[in-house]
Amino acid sequence: NAGVTQTPKFQVLKTGQSMTLQCAQDMNHEYMSWYRQDPGMGLRLIHYSVGAGITDQGEVPNGYNVSRSTTEDFPLRLLSAAPSQTSVYFCASSSRLGYTFGSGTRLTVV
Amino acid sequence: SQELEQSPQSLIVQEGKNLTINCTSSKTLYGLYWYKQKYGEGLIFLMMLQKGGEEKSHEKITAKLDEKKQQSSLHITASQPSHAGIYLCGALPSTGNTPLVFGKGTRLSVIA
Repeated sequence: NAGVTQTPKFQVLKTGQSMTLQCAQDMNHEYMSWYRQDPGMGLRLIHYSVGAGITDQGEVPNGYNVSRSTTEDFPLRLLSAAPSQTSVYFCASSSRLGYTFGSGTRLTVV
Repeated sequence: SQELEQSPQSLIVQEGKNLTINCTSSKTLYGLYWYKQKYGEGLIFLMMLQKGGEEKSHEKITAKLDEKKQQSSLHITASQPSHAGIYLCGALPSTGNTPLVFGKGTRLSVIA
């Protein structure tokens, strides 16, 4: 099925570890974005990309890094995980017709 | 930057009752999305509104965008336990392909 695929679905990290959250879409959308969701905070934008090779920061970019080498993939890297990064992460891709969200990655940093 | 305020933050209704959730912006909305989220799960797309005065319905849920394009409401008729969850509004702050800005969500519980 066409859509946005996020992996892993669950992850537990120790403080200071690094990891990459994967996001892939097969709809040929130019636009992709990463959000984090915390209780009572809605979804907050971390980074986004308007096309391969182009990325920009959102509302809460600190501690995260992104790159966009292909249209399909938009990985999110945690450089040195902190307990404050415990959250649910959603990737989205979009066109002028609308947004499609992945099913989320639940990350816990201990 | 655009900010979206959702009200109420939480809502408990008896099964069969009607309810309304509001989403208000300080600036013009160039597109307004409504999503539903079951606890611990992903986002389910409900509706998208773009034109002032636009209204869309799906089953027992109706969404409206006011003429000024600064406020949207989501109305559920004859609520059911299946309607329980978190409702999120997300707005396009400008024309073109831009990031969605989200409200903080409304947590809906439906009791028998």
